[in-house]
Amino acid sequence: QVQPVQSGAEVKKPGASVKVSCKASGRTFANYYMHWVRQAPGQGLEWMGIINPSGDGTSYAQKFQDRVTITRDTSTSTVYMEMSSLRSEDTAVYYCARMQSGAFDIWGQGTKVTVSS
Amino acid sequence: EIVLTQSPGTLSLSPGEGATLSCRASQSVSSNYLAWYQQKPGQAPRLLIYGASRRATGIPDRFSGSGSGTDFTLTISRLEPEDFAVYYCQQYVGSPSWTFGQGTKVEIK
Repeated sequence: QVQPVQSGAEVKKPGASVKVSCKASGRTFANYYMHWVRQAPGQGLEWMGIINPSGDGTSYAQKFQDRVTITRDTSTSTVYMEMSSLRSEDTAVYYCARMQSGAFDIWGQGTKVTVSS
Repeated sequence: EIVLTQSPGTLSLSPGEGATLSCRASQSVSSNYLAWYQQKPGQAPRLLIYGASRRATGIPDRFSGSGSGTDFTLTISRLEPEDFAVYYCQQYVGSPSWTFGQGTKVEIK
């Protein structure tokens, strides 16, 4: 099982936006729902949202509803997570993950996002 | 809102010993969507168990999951050195939405 490859670390100022990508190898992920999960330093895992295989359906955790947008480019097998109005509490590692049989079976390597003035 | 509570917070054990990790839901949940993950420092989580009791691909049989309703358990029969890590349970809670427990750290005694 090939791990999807996420974009590199980001450093952003408060109030800025960030867009993280997650590129999968072709058909391995084409028919699957994809999720985003984040982990603040020293903390647990926090589910953020999901996108369907065709990219036309999303759902978000309530706390991220107004600031996060998940999109998908099926032509390049890439999923994106964009977060706006960043604050220091958004400093975390952000993971994409494939869902199969109701669980997250393959995870990206993670992207560290640091929000600091 | 369904909350998953894991216990204990930390488990101090020696290699070769068995480990029992608990995950309790604040209300009854479907065992079809209860999963367990292992995470080591600096790594992404790894799926161990899904559907409460089904081992994921490549997971050794010393890992087993059980439970239903509100109480679920991850058992590691004999701890290997590579098993010392943090373990999370996860549940689909509808809407759709998913939630994780706060984690149990299994450390070397």
